[in-house]
Amino acid sequence: DGGITQSPKYLFRKEGQNVTLSCEQNLNHDAMYWYRQDPGQGLRLIYYSQIVNDFQKGDIAEGYSVSREKKESFPLTVTSAQKNPTAFYLCASSAGGGSGEQYFGPGTRLTVT
Amino acid sequence: EDKVVQSPLSLVVHEGDTVTLNCSYEVTNFRSLLWYKQEKKAPTFLFMLTSSGIEKKSGRLSSILDKKELSSILNITATQTGDSAIYLCAVEVGNFNKFYFGSGTKLNVKP
Repeated sequence: DGGITQSPKYLFRKEGQNVTLSCEQNLNHDAMYWYRQDPGQGLRLIYYSQIVNDFQKGDIAEGYSVSREKKESFPLTVTSAQKNPTAFYLCASSAGGGSGEQYFGPGTRLTVT
Repeated sequence: EDKVVQSPLSLVVHEGDTVTLNCSYEVTNFRSLLWYKQEKKAPTFLFMLTSSGIEKKSGRLSSILDKKELSSILNITATQTGDSAIYLCAVEVGNFNKFYFGSGTKLNVKP
């Protein structure tokens, strides 16, 4: 059963703590993405990766870090440097090469207090 | 700066109405435009448009791209309460598989 999984679904953290969000796909896709969604603001790109061991900053990368050591996995770390981390985080993948469609995971809702 | 703008931001209609959602874009190196429906969590794919003037249809939904006007519309006819969702427009740019999303249109269909 192919798809993208994200865990956990809900995450609560105290201010000042780093937290890592998991994203795994078994679609054999080359490209993977992390987006942040806030109410009324659509999806904003945090980081994306076209291939293993390579990734690029999106529009709002400050305070976040990623790694792409395996094709299937693209974890996102929300660091204490991120000023307003409470948000809904979506991971996506696509086949790359201009294939267009992205497939999305179910998302992780992070609350930092 | 690349950007995608959707309008209206929200819309309330009654079952059976027809709605038109708009998406305009200003990007360098346009590759494709995509529409997604987001009900609760993960957006689900509706359409991908690459060529101007060719309508794509799926049941009561249809969409068309106008590259001259740098815009696209998504039409939903005979709306149902199950159509209530946020509709997202995204534009793929360049050779880097990068996507820009609009802020979405929140559609509420009342019985």
